[in-house]
Amino acid sequence: QKEVEQNSGPLSVPEGAIASLNCTYSDRGSQSFFWYRQYSGKSPELIMFIYSNGDKEDGRFTAQLNKASQYVSLLIRDSQPSDSATYLCAVSGGSYIPTFGRGTSLIVHP
Amino acid sequence: EAGVAQSPRYKIIEKRQSVAFWCNPISGHATLYWYQQILGQGPKLLIQFQNNGVVDDSQLPKDRFSAERLKGVDSTLKIQPAKLEDSAVYLCASSLEDSEKLFFGSGTQLSVL
Repeated sequence: QKEVEQNSGPLSVPEGAIASLNCTYSDRGSQSFFWYRQYSGKSPELIMFIYSNGDKEDGRFTAQLNKASQYVSLLIRDSQPSDSATYLCAVSGGSYIPTFGRGTSLIVHP
Repeated sequence: EAGVAQSPRYKIIEKRQSVAFWCNPISGHATLYWYQQILGQGPKLLIQFQNNGVVDDSQLPKDRFSAERLKGVDSTLKIQPAKLEDSAVYLCASSLEDSEKLFFGSGTQLSVL
C-alpha cells in the first residue's frame, strides 16, 4: 500500500513569512512528485511538480525533493492571505496514478 | 481552453437510492480519473481510464460502484445502492496520455441521508 503522509495542520503563518509544508512517502520507487492547492469548496489545482532531487523554484514557490529520505516539501515565500488553502502532496511511481496525501491546511493571517 | 466539466454540482439522495455523475474531460486528454474525496481527507482514486479502457479499478467498490467511458471521451460514475459512507465529493480529472499532471473538474458533492 503506497502511502503519502502529511500533517493536517493547520499551519498558521503571518503575512510575509515563509510557509513550509512537508510530505513523506512510503514507495521508494516513486518518480514524480506534485503539489496541488485546494481552496475550501473548490477542486485541486496543480501548482508545482518535481522529478529530480534538489530544489525547483517557480515564483514564490519552491519544491524540494530528497529521495533518499523519501521527503518532499513546498516552501511559499512572502506568504499572502490568498495563499490560505489546503496543500495536497501527490506522488506517482511511474504508473500515471498519483496517490494523494490528506493535505495540510495553511492559514496566512494579516 | 475548456476545463473538465462535471455534473451535477450537488446531489442529495437517501441511502439505498442510486445516483450517477457525469464527466467530460479536456479535449485531447486520453486519461480520465475518478477520485473520491471525503471531508478532511485527500482524494482517493476510484478508477482510471486510458481512452476507453480501464487501467486501474482496484479501489472501486465493485459491488455498488460502476463506471464507463464507452467512446473514450466522457464518462459516467454510478453508485447503486448508495450508503451513508458514500457521502463525499466525487472529483473527475483528466490528463494527456503519459502525463501525471491532473486537471480537475469542479466536483460533485454527494450527500447520502
